[in-house]
Formats: sequence, C-alpha cells, structure tokens
Amino acid sequence: DAGVTQSPTHLIKTRGQQVTLRCSPKSGHDTVSWYQQALGQGPQFIFQYYEEEERQRGNFPDRFSGHQFPNYSSELNVNALLLGDSALYLCASSSRSGWNTIYFGEGSWLTVV
Amino acid sequence: DQQVKQNSPSLSVQEGRISILNCDYTNSMFDYFLWYKKYPAEGPTFLISISSIKDKNEDGRFTVFLNKSAKHLSLHIVPSQPGDSAVYFCAASSSGGSNYKLTFGKGTLLTVNP
Repeated sequence: DAGVTQSPTHLIKTRGQQVTLRCSPKSGHDTVSWYQQALGQGPQFIFQYYEEEERQRGNFPDRFSGHQFPNYSSELNVNALLLGDSALYLCASSSRSGWNTIYFGEGSWLTVV
Repeated sequence: DQQVKQNSPSLSVQEGRISILNCDYTNSMFDYFLWYKKYPAEGPTFLISISSIKDKNEDGRFTVFLNKSAKHLSLHIVPSQPGDSAVYFCAASSSGGSNYKLTFGKGTLLTVNP
C-alpha cells in the first residue's frame, strides 16, 4: 500500500516563475493538506482540501493556490516565485476517522534562484 | 507569533538513558497535541498524540505528558536508542470535527550517542 507520494522531489525555479507540485494521498484518504517548511522552521499550514474544495487556509498570499481532483490527489501552485518561497513543501493526507491517520509525504524541495 | 514553542533546538543523550523533549503552547483553543519524528530527506512520521482530556499517554518507549494549566507538554523516550536520533516536532490543533490543521513548533534535534 503506497503512502503519500509527492512529485517532483527536487526542483529549481527562477524568481517570477510559476511552479506546480503534486500529491497523491494514501489509499483510503480523502483530505489533503499542504505545509511549507523553511530551513530551521517547523512546517507551516498552507491550506487543506476536502471534496475538491479549499476548506481551510493558513496565512499565505493568494500566489499560493491549489486544487483537488475527484481521485483525491492534489496540486499546489505558486505564482510569481520569490526567493523566500524556497522551502520543503509537504503534503499530508488524512481521513475523517482519527488524528493518527495523518500521513506526510517526503516532500518537494523547491529552490528559487 | 509562535503559538507552539520548542525552546531547545537540540538535545544529546546517552543510549539507554531517558530523553525528555519539551513543548509549550500559548493558544488556549488547542486541545489535541501530536509528536512527529523526522529523519533527513523523509516526511514527518507520527509518533504519539494526546487529547486535552488526558494528562498522560503511553505507547511503548514513548510517553507524552500534558500539563494544561502550564500549557506545557513533554515527550519522554525510555530507553533512548541511537535510531531515535532525529528531529522531533510538537504539533497542536483545536478540535472541531474534521479540523486537521496542525500548528508545529520549530523542532528539537535529538542525538542519542552509543
């Protein structure tokens, strides 16, 4: 049973460009959340998707947007990249059945130059 | 405004001894707390959780203690093993049915020396 899978694992973008990160949740999970982890910091909540809608959002600008597909997979899009967007982007999947069902992927390392 | 604080960036202990990792929070609405362990190049792995209706939860070598009045929790690992060396994150959330938004601390790097 595959866990949470994310792609790509590493990527380098230039300031001003746009990036799309992808996440496939663990089998049986219907909720996807995205987190940003900057160097030396804990993960910060970006937003959460359930039933193809954004349900909650953290303190991130509108440059950060997302989507959830009918198969529960999700994308995170970041427009007009800034140097400060360089971070590890983590996808977490969960079901509605309990707290210990929150699983994280290995993350996508984004470097903006 | 950091709502979850892990004030020790690092901790070093000897194999077989107890590791105690601490976490403080400021938001009174938090009522569910989790500890995650993270190895380099891997995503965080869930370790143990505790609800605010309890003051202790145990799972094998891992025990989490919650002191609501002090807004403080701690993770005890006994006995510590070299494989426990990792970054440990404390996370908190407020319940509300399906609220899975987690607020994390900055993490504590635990090194267990053989």
